[in-house]
Amino acid sequence: DIQLTQSPSFLSASVGDRVTITCRASQVFSSCLAWYQQKPGKAPKLLIYAASTLQSGVPSRFSGSGSGTEFTLTISSLQPEDFATYYCQQLNSYPLAFGGGTQVEIK
Amino acid sequence: EVHLVESGGGLVQPGGSLRLSCAASGFNFRDYWMHWVRQVPEKGLQWVSRIDHDGYSTNYADSVKGRFTISRDNAKNTLHLQMNSLRAEDTAVYYCVRDVGTSIGGSWCKWFDPWGQGTLVTVSS
Repeated sequence: DIQLTQSPSFLSASVGDRVTITCRASQVFSSCLAWYQQKPGKAPKLLIYAASTLQSGVPSRFSGSGSGTEFTLTISSLQPEDFATYYCQQLNSYPLAFGGGTQVEIK
Repeated sequence: EVHLVESGGGLVQPGGSLRLSCAASGFNFRDYWMHWVRQVPEKGLQWVSRIDHDGYSTNYADSVKGRFTISRDNAKNTLHLQMNSLRAEDTAVYYCVRDVGTSIGGSWCKWFDPWGQGTLVTVSS
């Protein structure tokens, strides 16, 4: 089974900061990795798929990169509406695993 | 607009059963694989199960295998999750999600979009 480890699990940042979240896999897999954003009391929302493709309607300040076992989600300039929890997910093989999440809070 | 609406959650005693449903609209339901994902309150996401277009092929997380059954009714655009022998650790919000994919670099790559609003299942005596 492929396990995903996200880091950090929590980060405190200011509006305008550049933020990077890392997702490391326990083994190499194809770049079928997605990133989701979840706000309190809401369902997750797709941000990025296939490691680096921005979902339609998602602001361009979000970007994804990586391959092999290391993937990153970057927010180039953090906005007030970006404070949320972010999850990565591998969709290469079953069981489809999620990372443990990264909570982004206001400094 | 693509829409998924779950129902059927509630309070159930340990060892009991519950059947969740997910009503799909805004897309051709029979063309897509579907999944259930759960989230323990204030915790992370866990994939639970998936079903293919016709309902003949399924997968389950080890933690629910033998207790949960995923099914679908393409005539009614509805996905189901039959949950038996429920345990306290099954307490979670259960989301219905659509499996979307495309060919990238010769490989089929997919993602979950959209997600339903979720239905809360509480297993407690």
